[in-house]
This record gives sequence, C-alpha cells and structure tokens, in this order.
Amino acid sequence: EVQLVQSGAEVKKPGESLKISCIGYGYTFTNNWIGWVRQMPGNGLEWMGIIFPGDSETRHSPSFQGQVTVSVDKSTNTAYLQWNSLKASDTAMYYCARLVSGSWADVFDIWGQGTMVTVSS
Amino acid sequence: QSALTQPRSVSGSPGQSVTISCTGTSSDVGNYGYVSWYQQHPGKAPKLMISEVYKRPSGVPDRFSGSKFGNTASLTISGLQPEDEADYYCCSYAGFYALFGSGTKVTVL
Repeated sequence: EVQLVQSGAEVKKPGESLKISCIGYGYTFTNNWIGWVRQMPGNGLEWMGIIFPGDSETRHSPSFQGQVTVSVDKSTNTAYLQWNSLKASDTAMYYCARLVSGSWADVFDIWGQGTMVTVSS
Repeated sequence: QSALTQPRSVSGSPGQSVTISCTGTSSDVGNYGYVSWYQQHPGKAPKLMISEVYKRPSGVPDRFSGSKFGNTASLTISGLQPEDEADYYCCSYAGFYALFGSGTKVTVL
C-alpha cells in the first residue's frame, strides 16, 4: 500500500529546535516530489515547500523561505521538516504529501496522517 | 502571497447543487491551468478531489466537477450527499510554488 507515515506529536518550548519526519512506503520514493503543508489550529491549509528526493532540489513558498528547512534521506525514504528556533506561532498540524508525477506543485495524491507540533513555554 | 479567496461557507439540502468559488489573480489561477481541489473532514488529512481544473482522480464521485474562467476557479457538487459535509480547499500553481485557498465549509442541511 502506498502511504506516508509521519512522526508523532511534539511539544516544545520557544527557541528549541525540531525535526519531524515523513517516511514513504509502497512506491519508488525518489520518483515523486514530497511537500509540506501547515494547518494552524482552526485555520486553513498553507503550502510550505516541496523537495525532490532524487536530487534534493527544493522549492519554497515565499512565506516560508528561511523559516524552515526541508531535507530528505533517500536511503531511508524519509523526508524531514526542520526548525532551528521554534516560536509559539509554529504551533500547528504539519502534513507531508506526495506530489503526483508530472504535477507542477499543486496535486498531492497521498497524504501523511499529520504531525501536531505544539510550542509553548 | 495571500491565500486564494473562497467563501467562508456554503450550504444546501441533500440532492441540491452547491458551487464553491476560488478567486486568485493573473499570477496564479488566471495564468495557469493548474487548479486542484481538496476535501477535508474534521480531524482528517485532506483528500484530492479534482486536479488540473476539472480532472477527477479514480474513486472520486462524478457529482464533483471543476471549472475555471479567468482568475476564478469553481468546484460544483451536484446531488449533495450527507458525507460531502466537509471543508474544501482550492490550490493553484503560482510559479515554482503553489497557493491554497482560504477554505470553504460545506454544510448539508
């Protein structure tokens, strides 16, 4: 079965660092871009960025450029989303999703279950 | 890079049709034929319902249809069913990245 499995919920303090993961199963991981989508509590979806596991090429939304780092380890079929210094405003559900082959940036056909990140002092 | 504009909510009775609009600009919706739609039930991950303006992935009921005119894309649900009650988001390519819409809550009366 094709699926993306994300790491578990995190509770962190402001200023701490964090790296969450997304593992792909059931397909050739290096063939499809992986994207990250933020959903703040009670709010809508926000497109953060995408990475191509084959060569680690990345594209970011201007709103998230420099705020987070997306990376990948193709040897373990794992994509990562990383913060160096968390803020309370980073509290949100974060989804990883697989971009359909040939899609330009908007067609995500497989989604992870989400990772809830809570940042609170 | 503001979110695409969607109505906050729409509603209809079972069997009726509802249409959700998604308004962008000439830099996103109006410039590219790449608009997708997602359905999200509470506490669940989004689900792809429409891609490339009007294409339905396998398994999506044909009561869901998409269209685009100028800077505005639309999702129509014909023959509304109780299970269609959810949040719906449009998403448009905007040149090297994409933008989601603000989201619309569909209520089945």
